Amino acid sequence: SYELTQPPSVSVSPGQTARITCSGDALPKQYAYWYQQKPGQAPVLVIYKDSERPSGIPERFSGSSSGTTVTLTISGVQAEDEADYYCQSADSSGTSVVFGGGTKLTVL
Amino acid sequence: EVQLVESGGGLVQPGGSLRLSCAASGFTFSSYWMSWVRQAPGKGLEWVANIKQDGSEKYYVDSVKGRFTISRDNAKNSLYLQMNSLRAEDTAVYYCARGGGSYLYWGQGTLVTVSS
Repeated sequence: SYELTQPPSVSVSPGQTARITCSGDALPKQYAYWYQQKPGQAPVLVIYKDSERPSGIPERFSGSSSGTTVTLTISGVQAEDEADYYCQSADSSGTSVVFGGGTKLTVL
Repeated sequence: EVQLVESGGGLVQPGGSLRLSCAASGFTFSSYWMSWVRQAPGKGLEWVANIKQDGSEKYYVDSVKGRFTISRDNAKNSLYLQMNSLRAEDTAVYYCARGGGSYLYWGQGTLVTVSS
């Protein structure tokens, strides 16, 4: 079955830039989406269609794509950004939705 | 305001059945694909199933095929997940989400615990 691979954890100091990667063979063909999830809460969409930002999401969140890897970048990280982040896409047929394993972002 | 409210979770024995419901409001339910996504305790998100606007297409993750059935009632603005032959590994918070392959709106989730 199709998989998306993320690093388990990323740590940054406040004000620095955090980059979280997600790799998958179908990513050149399928859009990627990114979700932020804080403990006890439902996920929140922070990036859609690789690089678009939903209304209400701070500009410090951005997304990019290159080949089989997509990247979520958080510029000027704030303490409130500490959360789990998940990438999501679809397999090459578009019929199965897949989430990455998640990355825990720690703000030091 | 878009609202998705799940219900029907609870404790069930292995091999048992449960039916989850999701009541939708604040948007034209019949115009959107809908999905179920689950999260086991301390684990990541896992897509479970989705259904097309008119119910004509349904897709499932391999681990639930033949055991779970997704359905909808557009007249009642409701989404359902019938879960049969439940296993311990089905224990999770089950979220209802608007969309087929990307999810701007989520419910608060309902906990399903499969245990004897």
